[in-house]
Amino acid sequence: NAGVTQTPKFQVLKTGQSMTLQCAQDMNHEYMSWYRQDPGMGLRLIHYSVGAGITDQGEVPNGYNVSRSTTEDFPLRLLSAAPSQTSVYFCASSTNREPQHFGDGTRLSIL
Amino acid sequence: QKEVEQDPGPLSVPEGAIVSLNCTYSNSAFQYFMWYRQYSRKGPELLMYTYSSGNKEDGRFTAQVDKSSKYISLFIRDSQPSDSATYLCALRRGEYGNKLVFGAGTILRVKS
Repeated sequence: NAGVTQTPKFQVLKTGQSMTLQCAQDMNHEYMSWYRQDPGMGLRLIHYSVGAGITDQGEVPNGYNVSRSTTEDFPLRLLSAAPSQTSVYFCASSTNREPQHFGDGTRLSIL
Repeated sequence: QKEVEQDPGPLSVPEGAIVSLNCTYSNSAFQYFMWYRQYSRKGPELLMYTYSSGNKEDGRFTAQVDKSSKYISLFIRDSQPSDSATYLCALRRGEYGNKLVFGAGTILRVKS
């Protein structure tokens, strides 16, 4: 039972490039979320999903897209990377009532 | 004003000390409260999850919620060097859902 798996662990991009951060969970959780963590700001919600085919925006959605075609996977897409998107990205999953389980993050630097 | 305020520290204590970590919040709609521990270069891991005002104990950890004051605390007894980490409070409005609001996190260092 791997829990929440995020890939890659590290990535460096140039401004304007696009990429997809992968997130997979093997706990059959309905709920999945993406957060970004910046110094002094805690974790902020980017997008979330309450089930396959259902997604919604969180607190800081601009510049990011998500889709949820399966229960297991919830990829986060950066459409045109900007230096302000340099951050650590965490994916989390849960049932509809339990607290969330987090992956170990993707560290993203945009030059 | 942030919805959740948490002193970032760092908080440095000797081994064996009692540690008190705190968050305040402004919106009484928050009903569910969590404490996560985050080691360097790792994801947050859940320590405590509570709903009611009052205390909840789990081993060396006690979570305290005062909804009237909008104040939550985490106490760590007999602190160990392995407790050195960042502690994040997280709040949720409803019983269901996955929209958490986090405090900024407090860095704790326990010296041996």
